Amino acid sequence: DIQMTQSPSTMSASVGDRVTITCRASHDINNYLAWFQQKPGKVPKRLIYTTSILQSGVPSRFRGSGSGTEFTLTISGLQPEDFATYYCLQHSLDPYTFGQGTKLEIK
Amino acid sequence: EVRLLQSGGGWVQPGGSLRLSCVASGLSFSKFPMSWVRQAPGKGLEWVSGLSGSGQTIYYADSVKGRFTISRDNSRNTLYLQLNSLRTEDTGVYFCANDPLFDPTGKNAFEFWGQGTMVTVSS
Repeated sequence: DIQMTQSPSTMSASVGDRVTITCRASHDINNYLAWFQQKPGKVPKRLIYTTSILQSGVPSRFRGSGSGTEFTLTISGLQPEDFATYYCLQHSLDPYTFGQGTKLEIK
Repeated sequence: EVRLLQSGGGWVQPGGSLRLSCVASGLSFSKFPMSWVRQAPGKGLEWVSGLSGSGQTIYYADSVKGRFTISRDNSRNTLYLQLNSLRTEDTGVYFCANDPLFDPTGKNAFEFWGQGTMVTVSS
């Protein structure tokens, strides 16, 4: 199985900051990497697919990058609504695997 | 507009069974592979099972293999998950979502989600 190691597990930031979340795969996942945002009690929302393609309707301050086994989600100019938990997901091979999640908190 | 409407779930004792349903609208259901994802209380997301649009290709996470059965009825635009031999660690919210199987672009990777349904396994 492909393991996804996501870091950090929690982070604090202020409105307007730029933050970066990282996911490392145990094997090359051919860029089949998606990022999701989840708020408490809500359904996960896809932000990015295939490493770097922005989901329609998602603000351009969200950016995905990476290749091979290392991927990042960068949020530039944090907004109050961005404080949530973020997950990466590899779907290169089954079983698909999520990262452990990153909880982004207000400083 | 794509909608995935879930039903089923509830409380069951360890060793019991439940069936979850997910009715799709706004898409050509038979063309879309589908998956189930779950989330234990206060924990992260875990992929559970997926199947192709025809239902011919099926795959499971090791944690549920032999106990859960995924299926679909394309005439009813409905996805199912039969949960048998339930354990306390199966407790959580279960989501249905579209699956990227056979999609080289990745565009179909979990774009649409059901609202989630709670499964509680407890004595």
